[in-house]
Amino acid sequence: ETGVTQSPTHLIKTRGQQVTLRCSSQSGHNTVSWYQQALGQGPQFIFQYYREEENGRGNFPPRFSGLQFPNYSSELNVNALELDDSALYLCASQGPDGSLFYGYTFGSGTRLTVV
Amino acid sequence: AQTVTQSQPEMSVQEAETVTLSCTYDTSESDYYLFWYKQPPSRQMILVIRQEAYKQQNATENRFSVNFQKAAKSFSLKISDSQLGDAAMYFCAYRILNYGGSQGNLIFGKGTKLSVKP
Repeated sequence: ETGVTQSPTHLIKTRGQQVTLRCSSQSGHNTVSWYQQALGQGPQFIFQYYREEENGRGNFPPRFSGLQFPNYSSELNVNALELDDSALYLCASQGPDGSLFYGYTFGSGTRLTVV
Repeated sequence: AQTVTQSQPEMSVQEAETVTLSCTYDTSESDYYLFWYKQPPSRQMILVIRQEAYKQQNATENRFSVNFQKAAKSFSLKISDSQLGDAAMYFCAYRILNYGGSQGNLIFGKGTKLSVKP
């Protein structure tokens, strides 16, 4: 049973629209990261939040933004959707007592299709 | 910038046999972690095995083991006694050792699709 839940599982949006993807981490997991996985590729780091503040960002434009809430949930928002934004979006979390060595717990992702 | 390369897009193995998946990486750091993740059709990334760069001893987890060659920047995964449930995408990942409040993100390779034949 996964400790990270993502919703929705699938989503279809039109180019130019805005989308919000949601992630619920298990209690105590105060670090959350979001990754974009295009078809046939490995996941690419979008950004990371630690205690509700962004503390790391990959090579993604500002129209990708996020929020982390005190209840260990988080959001990924994408504005002005482009066709290339079609991908699997993965949320991953880690608790305060987990060292870097233990990696992240991943959710099953949201499959976003932009048409 | 750190990069991770998996040169085998697809691999196939007979059930009960052994298969090795290759991974090389590029970094100028001396302290880091390496991981192998499995992604079945359910899409969830599952941690298979992990290795600390400062440890010379290769990590082992049941049927899974790694061959870590730090000087060559190579980190291969060996799966022994392959089972049908091992069929999945396998991703090699690198994580820098960060100090302070932030925790380093994962850098993934493009993956290797493993098929297991009965």
